[in-house]
Amino acid sequence: NAGVMQNPRHLVRRRGQEARLRCSPMKGHSHVYWYRQLPEEGLKFMVYLQKENIIDESGMPKERFSAEFPKEGPSILRIQQVVRGDSAAYFCASSPPGSLNQNIQYFGAGTRLSVL
Amino acid sequence: SQQGEEDPQALSIQEGENATMNCSYKTSINNLQWYRQNSGRGLVHLILIRSNEREKHSGRLRVTLDTSKKSSSLLITASRAADTASYFCATATGANNLFFGTGTRLTVIP
Repeated sequence: NAGVMQNPRHLVRRRGQEARLRCSPMKGHSHVYWYRQLPEEGLKFMVYLQKENIIDESGMPKERFSAEFPKEGPSILRIQQVVRGDSAAYFCASSPPGSLNQNIQYFGAGTRLSVL
Repeated sequence: SQQGEEDPQALSIQEGENATMNCSYKTSINNLQWYRQNSGRGLVHLILIRSNEREKHSGRLRVTLDTSKKSSSLLITASRAADTASYFCATATGANNLFFGTGTRLTVIP
């Protein structure tokens, strides 16, 4: 049973380009979360999705960032027109359905985005 | 902000000693969790304590929770070099998302 898979592990973009980060949750998991981590800091919640629904995007910047979790395929975190301040590690986590109040999350290894 | 804070920010101990990390948070919670992160890796769940629990054990880990003080502690007994990592507390408030603290970097010296 594969864990949470994120790709790519490392992504280099120039300012103004688009970054697409992919996350495949653990098998049977229907909840996906995205977090951002700056060096030497904790994880900051960005967005919580279920299949085809955004449940909570209170941590997402209002502009340039979007996320989706389609019926088929991985969850995608998309950053348009990247700036140097977007450089960070982006982690995806998943949890199984019916896990409210037992919300242990299983994390991927992260995607490290570097903006030149 | 709902984010918690860990104390100390960094801790260095000798192998075999105990390590204690503290976490403070700001809002009412359903549960509090501790995670470990090895350098350059994702987080691994260690232990969950519910808001109506005061203490929980798992192997060499002991977690306490004081909801009146909005604080928790993680004790690692008989530390090993392999325990070297960053440790984060995370609070769950009812929705499924977690709010992470700033982390404690633990170094265990062989």
